[in-house]
Amino acid sequence: ETGVTQSPTHLIKTRGQQVTLRCSSQSGHNTVSWYQQALGQGPQFIFQYYREEENGRGNFPPRFSGLQFPNYSSELNVNALELDDSALYLCASNTMGKYEQYFGPGTRLTVT
Amino acid sequence: KQEVTQIPAALSVPEGENLVLNCSFTDSAIYNLQWFRQDPGKGLTSLLLIQSSQREQTSGRLNASLDKSSGRSTLYIAASQPGDSATYLCAVNGGTSYGKLTFGQGTILTVHP
Repeated sequence: ETGVTQSPTHLIKTRGQQVTLRCSSQSGHNTVSWYQQALGQGPQFIFQYYREEENGRGNFPPRFSGLQFPNYSSELNVNALELDDSALYLCASNTMGKYEQYFGPGTRLTVT
Repeated sequence: KQEVTQIPAALSVPEGENLVLNCSFTDSAIYNLQWFRQDPGKGLTSLLLIQSSQREQTSGRLNASLDKSSGRSTLYIAASQPGDSATYLCAVNGGTSYGKLTFGQGTILTVHP
């Protein structure tokens, strides 16, 4: 069984640029959630995707957007990057109706 | 709005001690509660999940309890080891259709030899 994988591991971007982060869900999971974890804080829910549609969103602006593909993998896109977007971005997958979520290793984004 | 608080923020203990980490939440209408471990710069590893109908779960040296009515959970670690050093996070699932997790800020645990 393959766990949740994320790419890239680290990324450095300049303020104002756009970034795309990728996540492959665990085998058999059809739901993907994204979280942002600032240094020293707990993760904050960004949004969830199920059946290729957004299925719930946290308190994040529209410049945070996502996609889910037919194979259940997902992308997180962030436009017009700000310094405060520097964080560890975590992807989690689960099967809809089963609430235990399994997390990937994360992508560390640094915005300069 | 659900809020999750973890106490203490940091804890340093000698190897072999038994210890308790605390988690409280403001809205008792939860579906379940999960405890996670996070090593520096890494992702989250699920330790224990307690359904709202359960009172406790055990895995090896770890025991988690849940008192939903009072909005509290504890993670008990027996006979701590240096390898237990990590940040421990608790997260509640509010039982919405999409299973959004609300996390506490974590407890940083250091176990010294």
